[in-house]
Amino acid sequence: AQRVTQPEKLLSVFKGAPVELKCNYSYSGSPELFWYVQYSRQRLQLLLRHISRESIKGFTADLNKGETSFHLKKPFAQEEDSAMYYCALSSSGNTGKLIFGQGTTLQVKP
Amino acid sequence: SAVISQKPSRDICQRGTSLTIQCQVDSQVTMMFWYRQQPGQSLTLIATANQGSEATYESGFVIDKFPISRPNLTFSTLTVSNLSPEDSSIYLCSVVGFGVNTGELFFGEGSRLTVL
Repeated sequence: AQRVTQPEKLLSVFKGAPVELKCNYSYSGSPELFWYVQYSRQRLQLLLRHISRESIKGFTADLNKGETSFHLKKPFAQEEDSAMYYCALSSSGNTGKLIFGQGTTLQVKP
Repeated sequence: SAVISQKPSRDICQRGTSLTIQCQVDSQVTMMFWYRQQPGQSLTLIATANQGSEATYESGFVIDKFPISRPNLTFSTLTVSNLSPEDSSIYLCSVVGFGVNTGELFFGEGSRLTVL
């Protein structure tokens, strides 16, 4: 079965510390992976997708097919990074049909 | 990008009644997607609404419980019927972007339903 797992419900770090939000997926084909973010009182929005290979707001994520992982990383966390982060998978080629992980709340303390 | 408006933003309903959620998009789109987020849970796709044809439902969701209308390319409604407390969730409407935003899913602000 297709599944996305985010093992941490809450990740709390101090400002300036490195951040890694874990995401593992279960899918036998070639998935497309995304990270979506929801800041306080804002709607859910795309942060980045693996095929674009971009760094957005200092965040990067590399698709590791061997480990079936798509961890989100940032070398130096900022307070404005505090938000809920969702890892998501598209298996059908239709990027409107996503399988979401449980989400990780990132709390960056001053 | 696509701008999506949902109404109502929140509602409290009695069990056994129904609630209809409206979703308006500022551009014409072929497909609209309805997601549910139960308390403390992740987002789950309910159905894909296509203009001019019946909605396509995901496993575990049925038309009798979640009837969907899609009268034109900018509007859709989701009805949650015969409400029970287990239907208390946030319901989200979404569309896929186009042009430079191709493949990006845009979300409405969500409709928070509480069933008493």
